[in-house]
Amino acid sequence: AQKVTQAQTEISVVEKEDVTLDCVYETRDTTYYLFWYKQPPSGELVFLIRRNSFDEQNEISGRYSWNFQKSTSSFNFTITASQVVDSAVYFCALSEWTDKLIFGTGTRLQVFP
Amino acid sequence: NAGVMQNPRHLVRRRVQEARLRCSPMKGHSHVYWYRQLPEEGLKFMVYLQKENIIDESGMPKERFSAEFPKEGPSILRIQQVVRGDSAAYFCASSSDRVSGNTIYFGEGSWLTVV
Repeated sequence: AQKVTQAQTEISVVEKEDVTLDCVYETRDTTYYLFWYKQPPSGELVFLIRRNSFDEQNEISGRYSWNFQKSTSSFNFTITASQVVDSAVYFCALSEWTDKLIFGTGTRLQVFP
Repeated sequence: NAGVMQNPRHLVRRRVQEARLRCSPMKGHSHVYWYRQLPEEGLKFMVYLQKENIIDESGMPKERFSAEFPKEGPSILRIQQVVRGDSAAYFCASSSDRVSGNTIYFGEGSWLTVV
């Protein structure tokens, strides 16, 4: 069965701190895709990244980086030098043979000035 | 959010009224997904539709909920005789292909409040 676990319900940091959001997934498929989305207080879902199961290279985009490790079924997300605008709920998601997404329960990140 | 359009953004209904939520997918997309986000929870898959077909409705409540994606026009998620527990944000997403691996963009959501 497919499952995505985001064990951290809420994280609070002070601006400029680095923060890592954890994501652990379960799937029996060998081909799958992992996603991260951001949901700011305004409510919309903002796509951040998609990664396929055959590409374990880490990715960096500005202050954001992602660490994909198949050995531990994890796809963690790190924000470097956090800013107040990073405050949001972050969702990790998994898709298998269709584009149907299985979401984790989300991690609420609060960045204080 | 790459052009998935949902309306209305906010909808208030009294109990037992009907709610209709509309989703226009991105241009060229023929696959639509509906998700529900209950307050303080993650998103849960409801239904996956292709033009004129329901492909997967495993996440739809058995009663009062229905969805369609006609040949012409937007996809509609219909909730009959709404109850307070239906209050949630309903998100629509679209993709161009049934095969997975597409970047999935979501609409801005429709917030339903049942009073």
